[in-house]
Amino acid sequence: GDSVTQMEGPVTLSEEAFLTINCTYTATGYPSLFWYVQYPGEGLQLLLKATKADDKGSNKGFEATYRKETTSFHLEKGSVQVSDSAVYFCALTISGSARQLTFGSGTQLTVLP
Amino acid sequence: NAGVTQTPKFRILKIGQSMTLQCAQDMNHNYMYWYRQDPGMGLKLIYYSVGAGITDKGEVPNGYNVSRSTTEDFPLRLELAAPSQTSVYFCASSYQGEEDEQYFGPGTRLTVT
Repeated sequence: GDSVTQMEGPVTLSEEAFLTINCTYTATGYPSLFWYVQYPGEGLQLLLKATKADDKGSNKGFEATYRKETTSFHLEKGSVQVSDSAVYFCALTISGSARQLTFGSGTQLTVLP
Repeated sequence: NAGVTQTPKFRILKIGQSMTLQCAQDMNHNYMYWYRQDPGMGLKLIYYSVGAGITDKGEVPNGYNVSRSTTEDFPLRLELAAPSQTSVYFCASSYQGEEDEQYFGPGTRLTVT
């Protein structure tokens, strides 16, 4: 079945450091890929998405590129802020699957001032 | 628009009790979903609905029931609560479409003791 594997956390960085959170996937169809963010005590919010190979999703300084050859969708940000502290989830959905999301286990990010 | 709302925010149940988690959306979305999030894990799909009167099982449906009598509401029913159902429950909705994101509610934290 479909699955998403994320790098294990927690990740602790200093403000203005470079962030990479790795995400790889296994899917039988042609997935769309997503990064969701969950701030403390809140529900998930869509951060960015990419729907086909080589697409780059970007939002709030975060970027991720859909790499079909390596089945990856790594999240990057050049300079993190304290306000980026949250849990980040990589997810996929398959076309025609009623848009069911398959999530990775999440990566806790803490940014220190 | 309120988006996706969930009630209650917190609940403690005794083993064997029953309860209904409420979910409503005011965005006229036809797709709705229930997920559970266990500590340190990603979200797992319990049930979903593609429209009023239509529901289907997700990955972890045992111990739960749903109904969808209106477009707006998608309640989740626990009939005989068990400790294994201690989790955070998220409702989500989306508009049918290949690239439409899912919008999440704030969650219900349920403890079964």
